Amino acid sequence: DSGVTQTPKHLITATGQRVTLRCSPRSGDLSVYWYQQSLDQGLQFLIQYYNGEERAKGNILERFSAQQFPDLHSELNLSSLELGDSALYFCASSVAPGGGTEAFFGQGTRLTVV
Amino acid sequence: AQSVTQPDIHITVSEGASLELRCNYSYGATPYLFWYVQSPGQGLQLLLKYFSGDTLVQGIKGFEAEFKRSQSSFNLRKPSVHWSDAAEYFCAVGSNNAGNMLTFGGGTRLMVKP
Repeated sequence: DSGVTQTPKHLITATGQRVTLRCSPRSGDLSVYWYQQSLDQGLQFLIQYYNGEERAKGNILERFSAQQFPDLHSELNLSSLELGDSALYFCASSVAPGGGTEAFFGQGTRLTVV
Repeated sequence: AQSVTQPDIHITVSEGASLELRCNYSYGATPYLFWYVQSPGQGLQLLLKYFSGDTLVQGIKGFEAEFKRSQSSFNLRKPSVHWSDAAEYFCAVGSNNAGNMLTFGGGTRLMVKP
């Protein structure tokens, strides 16, 4: 158990809908990351937050947004869902925001868009 | 831009045999390098990491990896594979910019024959 908690574990929704994925980082970790794992794109970095502020941004679609709250948990919002958004979404956390800091991954939320 | 290549998509080895998983990276400076393992339905678990110093790094579960700057490689090795090592293995390079994004390779799926 990495200490990173993601909910829900599975989510099935229809095209055009909006969903929210939630992540609680390890105790003491201030930085949160979101990654998407799909069959065609592999594991891709989406976005990083540190202590509530956006720190780095990857190939995150405009239909996706995220935030980190004062209690350090994070939410990833996916809207206008398409079939191609079906993927495993991972949250990770680390104590510091900088390069090389070890990141601990949650077990992921599997999103299926039908 | 940083990138990681894992040339072998699938590898099958016999239990007790040695293992080497290949990883080549592209990065402008001294990289932070990681190997993660993903078991079916699980999140990513860190096996080992290289930041600097000794180019041979030891990890958990009996794994080791060697950083070779001249070859831009960070291959993962294990002298004797166990059936429980069957999983997908990901090599990643970390940014040393303001953020801490990881760029992952496409993964190598390891199967272990009894």
